[in-house]
Amino acid sequence: DTGVSQDPRHKITKRGQNVTFRCDPISEHNRLYWYRQTLGQGPEFLTYFQNEAQLEKSRLLSDRFSAERPKGSFSTLEIQRTEQGDSAMYLCASSPAGHSYNEQFFGPGTRLTVL
Amino acid sequence: AQTVTQSQPEMSVQEAETVTLSCTYDTSESDYYLFWYKQPPSRQMILVIRQEAYKQQNATENRFSVNFQKAAKSFSLKISDSQLGDAAMYFCAYREGAQKLVFGQGTRLTINP
Repeated sequence: DTGVSQDPRHKITKRGQNVTFRCDPISEHNRLYWYRQTLGQGPEFLTYFQNEAQLEKSRLLSDRFSAERPKGSFSTLEIQRTEQGDSAMYLCASSPAGHSYNEQFFGPGTRLTVL
Repeated sequence: AQTVTQSQPEMSVQEAETVTLSCTYDTSESDYYLFWYKQPPSRQMILVIRQEAYKQQNATENRFSVNFQKAAKSFSLKISDSQLGDAAMYFCAYREGAQKLVFGQGTRLTINP
């Protein structure tokens, strides 16, 4: 069990560019979550997958954001036409299916800076 | 919508002393889960302790314990015998079923040697 991994750890981009982040959950974890955390704030929910199905999206997830989990394993989060307001830490978490109280295990995050 | 409020942006405590972090939440549900997560500087978030709302007994994990007051919608974290490694941001979080976590704004805990 190597934990949740995210790639890249840091991304600097210019406004208007597209970026894509990857999350590899703990193997056999059916549920995968994306959160966004701005400086000094708690994480905010973006979207959640159970296997390959995207079951919930926050209204924070504008049309410029898209997330996929094509084979129910890793997930990608793409931001198109980035804006300075997109600068944040993007966190991925996973949990096994079954008991509802199961812990969400977080990855180290991808820190995005939009210049 | 569910909300979680942490009214203490910063707290500090002397090493080996006890500190309590406050959290209140708002929900109309009766079945839910509450968590305290720790986020050390530049490190990933880890679970400290969890509480199921249907359980009356307060959860305890070694030096960490909670005071869960369901009627008051209060969920505080007590850290006993504080250690330098406890320094971190602490987030209170609420969850219904398998759904998303709703986090508070966080409390930055400093441990003074």
